[in-house]
Amino acid sequence: QVQLVESGGGLVKPGGSLRLSCAASGFIFSDYYMGWIRQAPGRRLEWISYISSDGSTNHHADSVKGRFTISRDNAKNTLYLQVKSLRAEDTAVYYCAREYSTSFFDYWGHGTRVTVSS
Amino acid sequence: EIVLTQSPATLSLSPGESATLSCRASDSISNYLAWYQHKPGQAPRLLIYHASDRATGIPARFSGSGSGTDFTLTISALEPEDFAVYYCQQRSSWPPVFTFGPGTKVEIK
Repeated sequence: QVQLVESGGGLVKPGGSLRLSCAASGFIFSDYYMGWIRQAPGRRLEWISYISSDGSTNHHADSVKGRFTISRDNAKNTLYLQVKSLRAEDTAVYYCAREYSTSFFDYWGHGTRVTVSS
Repeated sequence: EIVLTQSPATLSLSPGESATLSCRASDSISNYLAWYQHKPGQAPRLLIYHASDRATGIPARFSGSGSGTDFTLTISALEPEDFAVYYCQQRSSWPPVFTFGPGTKVEIK
């Protein structure tokens, strides 16, 4: 069955960096676009980034552009999100998800929590 | 950028009752709308895509309708496991941005 397992979250000071990972299994990872979505406490889900199946194309939300970078290693079936220059408002649970029909997300992980605080 | 609004914010119902959730887009999005169910501590679950297509494994009591700017998710005969937050979501063609609505919480009355 499809599984997505995020890791790499934690407590980080403002201005700090992290690399989030998402290990995929149960499907041909290299066939699918993938994305990252986050949810800050008490807020709606917010899409952050997506990347094409071969990694050649990606897009980021304006709120993270220039600070977050999505990437993937198809040989390792792993999706990444490099996050830097973190701010308090980046505190959230970060989910990776598989894109379906280029418009929706059909499988999600359980998320990894990032807390930005001094 | 297209904005999604959802109503009501909270729906208080008893098991066995039907739930009708609304999602409105600020501009026409044809049928490029999905619905997700989200429970605390769990992964969000795709219920409906393309406004009315049920995702794999989703029970028939979940149905979606609408096109353009107005969409509805109906849950007929609520089961105890259906109490959760429901989000609608759309994708803009350019720039490629995915947006979510604020959610509707379906709670036990």
